[in-house]
Amino acid sequence: DGGITQSPKYLFRKEGQNVTLSCEQNLNHDAMYWYRQDPGQGLRLIYYSQIVNDFQKGDIAEGYSVSREKKESFPLTVTSAQKNPTAFYLCASSARTGLNTGELFFGEGSRLTVL
Amino acid sequence: ILNVEQSPQSLHVQEGDSTNFTCSFPSSNFYALHWYRWETAKSPEALFVMTLNGDEKKKGRISATLNTKEGYSYLYIKGSQPEDSATYLCAGNNAGNMLTFGGGTRLMVKP
Repeated sequence: DGGITQSPKYLFRKEGQNVTLSCEQNLNHDAMYWYRQDPGQGLRLIYYSQIVNDFQKGDIAEGYSVSREKKESFPLTVTSAQKNPTAFYLCASSARTGLNTGELFFGEGSRLTVL
Repeated sequence: ILNVEQSPQSLHVQEGDSTNFTCSFPSSNFYALHWYRWETAKSPEALFVMTLNGDEKKKGRISATLNTKEGYSYLYIKGSQPEDSATYLCAGNNAGNMLTFGGGTRLMVKP
């Protein structure tokens, strides 16, 4: 089945540790995105990538890093510099880039808890 | 960052009731408006993507309208069913901004 796979679903981390969330898609989409959700808030864009080997900061990129070495994969690293990392993280992809992305396809999310 | 707002935040209705919610967004340089349904423990799924003023789209009992001049979109659900219980997200973008999501409307349909 075509889709987006995020792993792990649940992750616990001690303060000061970096952690990497995986996102893989087999939809052959050019664009991929990382969003963060906090209780009572909408999805906020962390990073996005419109093509392999290129990515841009979203609205809340501080304390995060990404890479896009392959079209299928867009991992997100939550670094120790992220002050409030406990959140729900969603990865998405779209067939088109720029303003006219068309619909986004989402993974099931990863819940990160910092102890 | 675009200011996209949804109301109400949450809504409880009886099975069989029809309901609607609102998404408002800045009307200047509008490009597109998306609606997604997000059921608990699942991925958000696209319902509609609309770009033209006056657009009306329908999928089964769910429909949406778009007014880009005044900056709002309505989502309607006719004859709500328990399986319609979900969070409904809207997202908009204009020239110069990536897609920005509203806070969502959480719908609970009681049997």
